[in-house]
Amino acid sequence: QKEVEQNSGPLSVPEGAIASLNCTYSDRGSQSFFWYRQYSGKSPELIMSIYSNGDKEDGRFTAQLNKASQYVSLLIRDSQPSDSATYLCAVDRDDKIIFGKGTRLHILP
Amino acid sequence: GAGVSQSPSNKVTEKGKDVELRCDPISGHTALYWYRQSLGQGLEFLIYFQGNSAPDKSGLPSDRFSAERTGGSVSTLTIQRTQQEDSAVYLCASSLARGWVGGEQYFGPGTRLTVT
Repeated sequence: QKEVEQNSGPLSVPEGAIASLNCTYSDRGSQSFFWYRQYSGKSPELIMSIYSNGDKEDGRFTAQLNKASQYVSLLIRDSQPSDSATYLCAVDRDDKIIFGKGTRLHILP
Repeated sequence: GAGVSQSPSNKVTEKGKDVELRCDPISGHTALYWYRQSLGQGLEFLIYFQGNSAPDKSGLPSDRFSAERTGGSVSTLTIQRTQQEDSAVYLCASSLARGWVGGEQYFGPGTRLTVT
């Protein structure tokens, strides 16, 4: 099992709909979880961090963490074409930050 | 500026030459990371610094790669005797701390290395 797994996509979502991005991780000891957005040809930029079980909202973005099931998700409400990018999930484990391969999201105008 | 800076932004070098890539982290950030990203691929972890020491060098691909950090600030990644497979974007990131709160990483714009 890969340490951090994401569906590579592409995930196509109509403009205005909710985009749901999922990530699973292998180490139950992980404590810190991050979502990054990466536009083509650009470096990753931090969207959100989450440390506790439950939901964390920031504008149109909601991160959800379920440690018992070892998954973390990112919801994007009212999706815009500018949200089209690759979304990277990252998990802190044993003093390392492990990145998933990313999910390509395509918002359909 | 307040962000992570990297130089050069682009570097073209001939196979066999040495290159040095520089990273200037956000002021006050104690942790610094180097990653490599090939076209269309995910992030490949190379090395991490806490202060000036590098507790984790496990990602360095070969002994041609080395890195140092001085004064708890600027870091340089050196690749000796470059090979074509070293061509990639080299990304640097810094964070306030490591692990729990403060572990959020902020990335620089990257250095695109092309080995001909």
